[in-house]
Amino acid sequence: DAGVIQSPRHEVTEMGQEVTLRCKPISGHNSLFWYRQTMMRGLELLIYFNNNVPIDDSGMPEDRFSAKMPNASFSTLKIQPSEPRDSAVYFCASSVKYEQYFGPGTRLTVT
Amino acid sequence: QKEVEQDPGPLSVPEGAIVSLNCTYSNSAFQYFMWYRQYSRKGPELLMYTYSSGNKEDGRFTAQVDKSSKYISLFIRDSQPSDSATYLCAMSVSTGNQFYFGTGTSLTVIP
Repeated sequence: DAGVIQSPRHEVTEMGQEVTLRCKPISGHNSLFWYRQTMMRGLELLIYFNNNVPIDDSGMPEDRFSAKMPNASFSTLKIQPSEPRDSAVYFCASSVKYEQYFGPGTRLTVT
Repeated sequence: QKEVEQDPGPLSVPEGAIVSLNCTYSNSAFQYFMWYRQYSRKGPELLMYTYSSGNKEDGRFTAQVDKSSKYISLFIRDSQPSDSATYLCAMSVSTGNQFYFGTGTSLTVIP
């Protein structure tokens, strides 16, 4: 298996622009997690899905952030409009039991 | 109080040393305990997991869980320069639930 796939790997955008991050979980995994990692705050859980249904989105910082999982093999995290403080590495992870497998991350820079 | 507390380090040891990494937690309902290793500019990778209390050994790595003290540890024997990374502890109440991560301990093993 190729593992969790994320795209793009790097994204540089200007403040106010819309950003869409994509994730393909490992086949057969029924839980998907979106995290944000910064030096200051460490790894923060933004939202997670079980069987494509959002379970807890309390970590989503603002209404500018939204996430969808239209099917078991695809999820998106959207930021609209983006702000410089959104600059971070965004990870997607998937799991079937208690082990979470992380993707390589998307490094987002908002100027 | 944060759910999971972890000393951020940094920790620097000579090659061959025994390394001890620790986390404390406040939620007595946690049942699953994981250690992740994260190399620079990479996603976290699962190193070890344990269920409930006890020890688990895998090669040079030993994970310990003391639920009575709400304390978990990861020991690395005969540390190698390739062990230089950030180590994150994580824990969960049950499968399919969110993980609570520590902030990570940065480890450098000096040749």
